[in-house]
Amino acid sequence: QKEVEQDPGPLSVPEGAIVSLNCTYSNSAFQYFMWYRQYSRKGPELLMYTYSSGNKEDGRFTAQVDKSSKYISLFIRDSQPSDSATYLCAMRSSASKIIFGSGTRLSIRP
Amino acid sequence: DSGVTQTPKHLITATGQRVTLRCSPRSGDLSVYWYQQSLDQGLQFLIQYYNGEERAKGNILERFSAQQFPDLHSELNLSSLELGDSALYFCASSPRQEFDTGELFFGEGSRLTVL
Repeated sequence: QKEVEQDPGPLSVPEGAIVSLNCTYSNSAFQYFMWYRQYSRKGPELLMYTYSSGNKEDGRFTAQVDKSSKYISLFIRDSQPSDSATYLCAMRSSASKIIFGSGTRLSIRP
Repeated sequence: DSGVTQTPKHLITATGQRVTLRCSPRSGDLSVYWYQQSLDQGLQFLIQYYNGEERAKGNILERFSAQQFPDLHSELNLSSLELGDSALYFCASSPRQEFDTGELFFGEGSRLTVL
């Protein structure tokens, strides 16, 4: 079993929709949770970074962490075609390497 | 543009051969990380160097090796190549030794195809 599980998609939604992306994990020691966005033919770039449980909002993006369920989510409001990319969740414990999910491919239809 | 430069962008070679991938980190960053990305395995951590010293090791095969030079650029050497080594290889850099901020700055990757 992988430490981090992420549905690969692809996920296709119309422009303006709310998008929900999710990951589950098995290691209860994970404390730091991240979402990276990767455009085609580019390297991943950090989108959101949260510590422990709770919500964090940044513009149209909201990251949620539920440590009791070992479940993290990324919500995108008012989705735009420019949000079309692969979204990778990532996480780590206090002194470990970052573990990435396999990524969810998202397509926003104009 | 992340500021991380990787060369070559594309590489096609045959089984059994050896290749070297090069990475220049962002100016001032001391840590360099190598990742392998394939369709079925996702982004896999290979190895990290900090200021010239190996700092952490992941799922790196014995056929692979890396080093970081005094000018902080890094090279990933892949030898006795197999078809399964075909993947995107990313280099990332960060200013710190530990993964404490979670922010890694990735290059655009080197796509390796082994025929």
